Amino acid sequence: QVQLVESGGGVVLPGGSLRLSCAASGFTFSNCGMHWVRQAPGNGLEWVAFIRYDGNNRYYAESVKGRFTISRDNSKNTLDMEMNSLRAEDTAVYYCAKDSGSSGSHFDYWGQGTLVTVSS
Amino acid sequence: EKVMTQSPATLSVSPGERATLSCRASQSVSGNLAWYQQKPGQAPRLLIFGASTRATGIPARFSGSGSGTEFTLTISSLQSEDFAVYYCHQYNNWPNTFGQGTKLEIK
Repeated sequence: QVQLVESGGGVVLPGGSLRLSCAASGFTFSNCGMHWVRQAPGNGLEWVAFIRYDGNNRYYAESVKGRFTISRDNSKNTLDMEMNSLRAEDTAVYYCAKDSGSSGSHFDYWGQGTLVTVSS
Repeated sequence: EKVMTQSPATLSVSPGERATLSCRASQSVSGNLAWYQQKPGQAPRLLIFGASTRATGIPARFSGSGSGTEFTLTISSLQSEDFAVYYCHQYNNWPNTFGQGTKLEIK
């Protein structure tokens, strides 16, 4: 069965950096686009970033562009996101989500999320 | 960016009754619209994609309709496990965007 397991969350100072990872199993990872979606405490869902199945196309929300970088390693079935210049408003649960296709579609599976807290 | 607006913000319905949730896009998203259900402390779960296609394992009481800018999620006879928050999501364009959610609560 499809499994997505996020890791790397924690508490970080404003202006700091953090790297999130998502370990994927149960499907052919190299065939699927992947997303990061976040949810601030008590708030709704916000799409953050997407990477195409081959890593050649990436898209970002305006709120994170230039600060976050999504990447993948198809040999290890892992999805990553490097987050720099973190702000208080980046505090959220971060979910990795599997795209149902290769180049951008709906999300058919989600991980359980990892909490990032940006606070001094 | 396409803005997705859901209504109402909160919907109170009795078990066994019908619930109708709406989602409006600021510009056409064609049929590239999905619905997700989220319960407290859990990740979202895909219910509907392509505006009207039920995802695997989703009961027939859930149905989706619409295209362009107006979409509806209908739950025909509410069960206790259906009380949750529901989000619409457009994947027609980048950036993908979500509605702010509708909380479905027990009346």
